[in-house]
Amino acid sequence: NAGVMQNPRHLVRRRGQEARLRCSPMKGHSHVYWYRQLPEEGLKFMVYLQKENIIDESGMPKERFSAEFPKEGPSILRIQQVVRGDSAAYFCASSPRGINQPQHFGDGTRLSIL
Amino acid sequence: QQQVKQSPQSLIVQKGGISIINCAYENTAFDYFPWYQQFPGKGPALLIAIRPDVSEKKEGRFTISFNKSAKQFSLHIMDSQPGDSATYFCAARVSGAGNMLTFGGGTRLMVKP
Repeated sequence: NAGVMQNPRHLVRRRGQEARLRCSPMKGHSHVYWYRQLPEEGLKFMVYLQKENIIDESGMPKERFSAEFPKEGPSILRIQQVVRGDSAAYFCASSPRGINQPQHFGDGTRLSIL
Repeated sequence: QQQVKQSPQSLIVQKGGISIINCAYENTAFDYFPWYQQFPGKGPALLIAIRPDVSEKKEGRFTISFNKSAKQFSLHIMDSQPGDSATYFCAARVSGAGNMLTFGGGTRLMVKP
């Protein structure tokens, strides 16, 4: 499967724990985007990364959330000290280098906070 | 300024009918307008996209109509099939300005057999 791979598909955490969501982009894609989808709503942009660089994090909450895309390995979205309001589906998309490239989405991680 | 408003929220169409979903935007800097289809438990899949230099784009049973002066665009699904039942999202992007997509709220389409 050469698509965008996200894991885990489902993640359950208790309030105060940390959540780590992983995303491996499509082969040949060097740009990664993270979006959050609340139930019955559209996707909301969170952060845009290239290898070892955060390009735009204007959609990221100021506290508890961080993202990285290291030189080797998947992109990681990290949520510290999770709260009930963090329950959502988190989607990763990737695109090739260059402007005007379409984004291809993974199947998401459903995060549930107990 | 960055909003994309989508309607209706839900739509029921008979098999063989035409499904029409509308979107309106405010930011005139948007220059790329894709539509995504999402099935339950899956990620959005790119369906069709248009740029504002054309007024219509057709791919199979799917057509985007674009009205630049009204800042509106719509998706038409001809000969709708039960397999088209899904949630559809319109989106918009300012090319080169971070590449992030701004999504509409989604339309849940049900095509009855």
